[in-house]
Amino acid sequence: EAQVTQNPRYLITVTGKKLTVTCSQNMNHEYMSWYRQDPGLGLRQIYYSMNVEVTDKGDVPEGYKVSRKEKRNFPLILESPSPNQTSLYFCASRQGHNQPQHFGDGTRLSIL
Amino acid sequence: DQQVKQNSPSLSVQEGRISILNCDYTNSMFDYFLWYKKYPAEGPTFLISISSIKDKNEDGRFTVFLNKSAKHLSLHIVPSQPGDSAVYFCAATSSGTYKYIFGTGTRLKVLA
Repeated sequence: EAQVTQNPRYLITVTGKKLTVTCSQNMNHEYMSWYRQDPGLGLRQIYYSMNVEVTDKGDVPEGYKVSRKEKRNFPLILESPSPNQTSLYFCASRQGHNQPQHFGDGTRLSIL
Repeated sequence: DQQVKQNSPSLSVQEGRISILNCDYTNSMFDYFLWYKKYPAEGPTFLISISSIKDKNEDGRFTVFLNKSAKHLSLHIVPSQPGDSAVYFCAATSSGTYKYIFGTGTRLKVLA
């Protein structure tokens, strides 16, 4: 089954404790992205990747890092999480330009 | 600056009637538009898309209309069913970028 898998689905942690949210897709897609969803703000892109070792900032990259060492994986790293990063996060992948994205089921992060 | 706007946060429609969800955009470079549906605790799922070379695209009960001069697109659902109750996001992108810009979403409630 074609899917984007995120882990964990839920996480409560404390300010400053490094965390990683993993994302994996099994569709051999070139493009992957991370979004955060906040009330009244919709989905905002954090980072995206066009291929292995090629990443770029989205609209809200501050406080986040990503890496793309393999085509299927695109982890999101919060080196020093802060309460304003409490949000619902989605990973997505797509095959190419002007193609629909496939989303994971989301990761709800609470930073205390 | 919100480049993609969904001005109606919510909409209620009677089962069997038409649901019309609206989306406005400001960037004239956008050339591909999508609608996604999102249920609670799940990621957004792709519904329907339209290229800027068309003004209408239809898929079963779902039709998307694009008015480029007004920078406006709409999603029509006919007939509406209770299972259509969800949050709907419109999104836009242009061939020259890797970014997909999402609206803030409209919560549709179809009343049985």
